[in-house]
Amino acid sequence: DSGVTQTPKHLITATGQRVTLRCSPRSGDLSVYWYQQSLDQGLQFLIQYYNGEERAKGNILERFSAQQFPDLHSELNLSSLELGDSALYFCASSPWASGGGYNEQFFGPGTRLTVL
Amino acid sequence: KNEVEQSPQNLTAQEGEFITINCSYSVGISALHWLQQHPGGGIVSLFMLSSGKKKHGRLIATINIQEKHSSLHITASHPRDSAVYICAVRASGGGADGLTFGKGTHLIIQP
Repeated sequence: DSGVTQTPKHLITATGQRVTLRCSPRSGDLSVYWYQQSLDQGLQFLIQYYNGEERAKGNILERFSAQQFPDLHSELNLSSLELGDSALYFCASSPWASGGGYNEQFFGPGTRLTVL
Repeated sequence: KNEVEQSPQNLTAQEGEFITINCSYSVGISALHWLQQHPGGGIVSLFMLSSGKKKHGRLIATINIQEKHSSLHITASHPRDSAVYICAVRASGGGADGLTFGKGTHLIIQP
């Protein structure tokens, strides 16, 4: 158990709908990352938040957005869903690293999204 | 061409064999991760490397920064080692900490 929690575990919805995925980082971790794993694209970085602020964007579609709240949990919002958005969505967290360094990322169990 | 290339894509071996999985990358990095993903989807971080070699139990990871290459070795392999092993890098230069992933190596250890 990495200490990172994600809800829900599974989500089935229809095209055109909007869903929200939730992530709670490990206690004390300030950075949260979102990743998408699809059969054709593999694992891709979507977005990173650090202590409530967006830090970096990867291959995140404009239909997707995220935020990190004051209690450090994060939500990934996916709208106007398409069949191709079906994937595993992982959240990861890492602690703050002094001097601009980098720390290990700990992955949550993932949310499996199926768009029908 | 992917920034992170893994080989082999698929590997089937007998229990007890020494396993090597390779990862090559084309960008400057500040860290390289080896991850394990079992059927059912969860990802476990095995190692994070920026230089040299790390060992944990039967697993050994090495990295050669000059050659932009890393290897993951499994000694005395066991059927429970069957999983997908993924190499991922964090690019150097500050800023984003998001990882770039290889496509993974599907490892099956037969009893």
